[in-house]
Amino acid sequence: NAGVTQTPKFQVLKTGQSMTLQCAQDMNHNSMYWYRQDPGMGLRLIYYSASEGTTDKGEVPNGYNVSRLNKREFSLRLESAAPSQTSVYFCASSESIGGYTFGSGTRLTVV
Amino acid sequence: RKEVEQDPGPFNVPEGATVAFNCTYSNSASQSFFWYRQDCRKEPKLLMSVYSSGNEDGRFTAQLNRASQYISLLIRDSKLSDSATYLCVVTFNDYKLSFGAGTTVTVRA
Repeated sequence: NAGVTQTPKFQVLKTGQSMTLQCAQDMNHNSMYWYRQDPGMGLRLIYYSASEGTTDKGEVPNGYNVSRLNKREFSLRLESAAPSQTSVYFCASSESIGGYTFGSGTRLTVV
Repeated sequence: RKEVEQDPGPFNVPEGATVAFNCTYSNSASQSFFWYRQDCRKEPKLLMSVYSSGNEDGRFTAQLNRASQYISLLIRDSKLSDSATYLCVVTFNDYKLSFGAGTTVTVRA
């Protein structure tokens, strides 16, 4: 019963470096999401994928790209990391409205 | 204006007490409402949905006031394990959720 698995759990990047956050779910959900969470702010949607083969921008997509590799996997890429992208990133999946299952998060620091 | 606003707290209450807090939402067309719970440095987890008629789940009671555009959560007989941040969530009946920044509750022995 893994649910949603995110890797890595922690990462430190230098400004300008790139990296990909990986997310996989084993619940056969159609929809997957990437959120970021910053102190004092709610989770903000970066990108989402309503179904395999589709992706759409959320509230804060600038500086990020995504790939829905297959039904299970949805990755988030930072092409050129900036200190403003220091955050906690959560991947989630769902099959029903409101019923999200989240991964355990990736704590990213950009120095 | 934020789409979902919450009093950040913290609400510090003794064990056994009742604690209640609200959140307001700006989009009058919002259709579905939820409370999520987030423990320190953990992922959010669905606590309960909020229905128009109000609903209970054990010691937790959720209410929706569409006219005033707020939802509430009441916790009775607080336990130490209820210490967490409670996230208010709304959606316009699609799969994208809008989260509040959360209300922190600390239950003390």
